[in-house]
Order: sequence, then C-alpha cells, then structure tokens
Amino acid sequence: GQNIDQPTEMTATEGAIVQINCTYQTSGFNGLFWYQQHAGEAPTFLSYNVLDGLEEKGRFSSFLSRSKGYSYLLLKELQMKDSASYLCAVRGNQGGKLIFGQGTELSVKP
Amino acid sequence: DAGITQSPRHKVTETGTPVTLRCHQTENHRYMYWYRQDPGHGLRLIHYSYGVKDTDKGEVSDGYSVSRSKTEDFLLTLESATSSQTSVYFCAISDRGQNTGELFFGEGSRLTVL
Repeated sequence: GQNIDQPTEMTATEGAIVQINCTYQTSGFNGLFWYQQHAGEAPTFLSYNVLDGLEEKGRFSSFLSRSKGYSYLLLKELQMKDSASYLCAVRGNQGGKLIFGQGTELSVKP
Repeated sequence: DAGITQSPRHKVTETGTPVTLRCHQTENHRYMYWYRQDPGHGLRLIHYSYGVKDTDKGEVSDGYSVSRSKTEDFLLTLESATSSQTSVYFCAISDRGQNTGELFFGEGSRLTVL
C-alpha cells in the first residue's frame, strides 16, 4: 500500500524557524514534492527532491532521505503570510501522478 | 501561472442528478488529473489522463467517470451524485518532459450534493 504521514497541525512564532516532517511508504519513487495551500485557494508548488540531500530556495528548504522514506520542509524567518496548509506528495511509477499526505496546517502567531 | 480553468466553480445539486465538471488548459500539457479534497483526507486522486482518450483510475474512482477527447479538455462526470461526493474538486496538469514535472492546479470546483 501507499502511505504518507505528516503532522496535522503546527504552530510557530513570527520570525522563527519551523520544520514540517513527512514520512512515506510508496510503491516506487520518482520524486517528492511540497506544496503550499492557503485557505480557499489552490495548492501551489514549493519544492521538489528526487536525490538525497537539501534543496534550498530562499526562505524555504526541503530535505530528502530516500533510504529512510523521510522528508522535511524548513521554513525560516516565518511571516504571517506563511500561515497555510503544507502538503507533502510523492510521485510513484505510474503516469506521473502524485499521492498526497493529509497536509499540515501551520499557524504563525505574532 | 499555468492556464487552467475549471467550470463551474460552484455548484449545488440534488442526490441522483448527473454532474459534469470541466477542466480546460491552454498549456498543451500531456497529463491531466482530477483530485478531490476533503477535511481529514487531503487530496485524493480520482482519475488521470496521460493523453487523448488515455485515462486511468486513481485511488477513489468509484462513482466517477472521465473523458478526454481533446488535449485541452478533461471532463469529470458524476453519473448519479451522492452526498458523499460533496467536496472540492481540483484539476491539475503536468508535463513530465519539462523541469520537475510538478503539478499545476486549477482554482477548484466546490460541489454540494443535497
């Protein structure tokens, strides 16, 4: 079967750093994606990892360990606008389709 | 932004009626997907297409059918809507041949089945 786990909710303070974890068990692996989704809006692409290691993109970084089935999204210098749901998704072997976790609702407090 | 439009954006219907949601893209991407999003379940794949007239089932395909007669259009049909199909439906597109092949999502269609 396929399973992607991430925490349901997290709270952090403006200006701080937060790490959102994602563990996965999937049939086949062709990349791991992170998406951001604000309430009432469509998901938007944040990052992609297919090899082990850290990918940095401005305030956001994403890490992957394929042997451990583990990824995290690191958000630095948190801003109020970072309050959103963060979705972890894995691409398997078939048709480029992505399987999503339930999402982590991040609340950034002043 | 990727050129994806979904219609209708909002619809209220009654149990047992047929419903068709349309996804239209202007990007000429090969792959198109229909997801539904529900609280506690995240995004779940209903059906996807990897070319004209080429479609396959996702993880929650029961009660849904799709058609893709042109590259730009992917239709999702609920033959007889049920209350359990009340959800937000997202269409997505991707082109595996470019960059990371990430999915670009439409704005969503909110369906309420009474």
